[in-house]
Amino acid sequence: KQEVTQIPAALSVPEGENLVLNCSFTDSAIYNLQWFRQDPGKGLTSLLLIQSSQREQTSGRLNASLDKSSGRSTLYIAASQPGDSATYLCAVFAVTGYSTLTFGKGTMLLVSP
Amino acid sequence: NAGVTQTPKFQVLKTGQSMTLQCAQDMNHEYMSWYRQDPGMGLRLIHYSVGAGITDQGEVPNGYNVSRSTTEDFPLRLLSAAPSQTSVYFCASQGHNGELFFGEGSRLTVL
Repeated sequence: KQEVTQIPAALSVPEGENLVLNCSFTDSAIYNLQWFRQDPGKGLTSLLLIQSSQREQTSGRLNASLDKSSGRSTLYIAASQPGDSATYLCAVFAVTGYSTLTFGKGTMLLVSP
Repeated sequence: NAGVTQTPKFQVLKTGQSMTLQCAQDMNHEYMSWYRQDPGMGLRLIHYSVGAGITDQGEVPNGYNVSRSTTEDFPLRLLSAAPSQTSVYFCASQGHNGELFFGEGSRLTVL
């Protein structure tokens, strides 16, 4: 069974820092990996989607990488801002079927001014 | 551009009552799914559908029913609510490239 782990569970940084959030998964037979942002009391907003054949995706100050062989993905946030404060989740979609989307429990990020 | 719309946003039920959480998407996606999110448990798949007329169980299906009569709608029914079903419920649809789109969530309390 696929297991997805996100480290750290919580992170507090001052504004302007570059930071890295980690996501690891146990089964490398994946279809894609997706990073989401969740604000308190809100739904999940898609940030970046990485297909299994890709190594990284970029959107603005966000860069996500994927290393299937090691079962790892990282989300890099450049020049963090207080508005980046949220919970960040990664989700892994396995190749074995639609029932196999597995979420990590998230990293809660607080960026202080 | 509505995306995925869930109703109601909040609901309080008494044990044993039934209700339906509504989910609609306007992106013509075939795949739709329901999750529940609980503290410390993350998101868990309840039921999913790969197209109209086709549904299947996820990780935690007990106590829930679904149907998919149209591409747009995927309602989740609680047959006899229990306190253990107190949770936040999310509906999602998946685009052709695999990207998931979520609704804003339905917060359910069962007393």
